[in-house]
Amino acid sequence: QSALTQPPSASGSPGQSVAISCTGTSSDVGAYNYVSWYQQHPGKAPKFIIYEVSNRPSGVPDRFSGSKSGNTASLTVSGLQAEDEADYYCSSYAGSSNWVFGGGTKLTVL
Amino acid sequence: QVQLVQSGAEVKKPGASVKVPCKASGYSFSSYAMHWVRQAPGQRLEWMGWINAGNGNTKYSQRFQGRVTITRDTFASTAYMEMSSLRSEDTAVYYCARELGGKGAFDYWGQGTLVTVSS
Repeated sequence: QSALTQPPSASGSPGQSVAISCTGTSSDVGAYNYVSWYQQHPGKAPKFIIYEVSNRPSGVPDRFSGSKSGNTASLTVSGLQAEDEADYYCSSYAGSSNWVFGGGTKLTVL
Repeated sequence: QVQLVQSGAEVKKPGASVKVPCKASGYSFSSYAMHWVRQAPGQRLEWMGWINAGNGNTKYSQRFQGRVTITRDTFASTAYMEMSSLRSEDTAVYYCARELGGKGAFDYWGQGTLVTVSS
């Protein structure tokens, strides 16, 4: 499978909202509600922040939200904080016991 | 608490093999799938494959089929990822990640093992 498509970068000022898109195909993002999102700080392992498109694990602030329309999923970070500066990756189940990740988006808090 | 602990960094020569362990604790090992994900320096996460820790069934990304073998030792609560015929492009951090039961997401990750392939 090809990687899901994410914008390489996104930015926003503290307190603002920013949305990161994740575009796949009708065989992955569009076919299943198994889209998840991960936050990765430099030198650290990824941390999962959204599963099944829009569900937040316990402990993840409600500033993080997810949605999906057709073949594109989105992660929105509201009320940006300095600690939100990180790389963000989407992932989707792609059928036949396969998974695929996105190319990653570097979020900068200005 | 759930923990996935991986081994330290490895340096391998081209053509060699590497076997990376991932020791799980804090949960019933056989009840969850374990996935392997790699990340080359400065690059994206790349899904490699997974194992059903209960019955040992595996599935690999086509990109790694034939070169990667994922196994598990239920008594030791440890999953392993072995890669053969290493080349310089395989230099990366290799992560194990537990799948959140039936939700298609990876809820706990190991700390990663850097594998460097260099002559």
